[in-house]
Amino acid sequence: QKEVEQDPGPLSVPEGAIVSLNCTYSNSAFQYFMWYRQYSRKGPELLMYTYSSGNKEDGRFTAQVDKSSKYISLFIRDSQPSDSATYLCAMSPTGAGSYQLTFGKGTKLSVIP
Amino acid sequence: DAGVTQSPTHLIKTRGQQVTLRCSPKSGHDTVSWYQQALGQGPQFIFQYYEEEERQRGNFPDRFSGHQFPNYSSELNVNALLLGDSALYLCASSGYGTNGYTFGSGTRLTVV
Repeated sequence: QKEVEQDPGPLSVPEGAIVSLNCTYSNSAFQYFMWYRQYSRKGPELLMYTYSSGNKEDGRFTAQVDKSSKYISLFIRDSQPSDSATYLCAMSPTGAGSYQLTFGKGTKLSVIP
Repeated sequence: DAGVTQSPTHLIKTRGQQVTLRCSPKSGHDTVSWYQQALGQGPQFIFQYYEEEERQRGNFPDRFSGHQFPNYSSELNVNALLLGDSALYLCASSGYGTNGYTFGSGTRLTVV
């Protein structure tokens, strides 16, 4: 079993839809959780960074962490064509600046105008 | 403010050759990590450098080595290239108090 599982999709939604992206993990040591967005031929860009269980909101993006279920989610409201990208979940046991990140495979999202 | 810069952008090498990839971290960052991203996969951690020393290493063979310079820039060296080394190599930097990593756009290595 991989440490981090993420459905690779692809996921296709109409513009304006609410998008739900998810990851599950098996390592209880993971305490810090991140979502990265990666456009084609680019490096990953940090979208959300969370530590505790619960919700964190930033504009149209909401990150949700449920440590008891080892499950994290990213919600995108009012999705736009510019949101079309691959979304990667990542996690680490300690503060991410000093430790390796373990990534999911990424979910490829297409938002259709 | 320049982010993480990597060079070259693309590279084609022959099996058995050696390659060196370069990375300059974001201004104010002192820690550099390298990741390998195969097509359709998430990035896999290779190693991390801090204070010019390898601080952590992922599950990669000794053919993968690195270096960090006093100005915090870093190199990734891969010897005896295999076809399976073809991937996007990402450099990420971080520093004290930063949340998450800042990634460069990567070097796409093709081994033929």
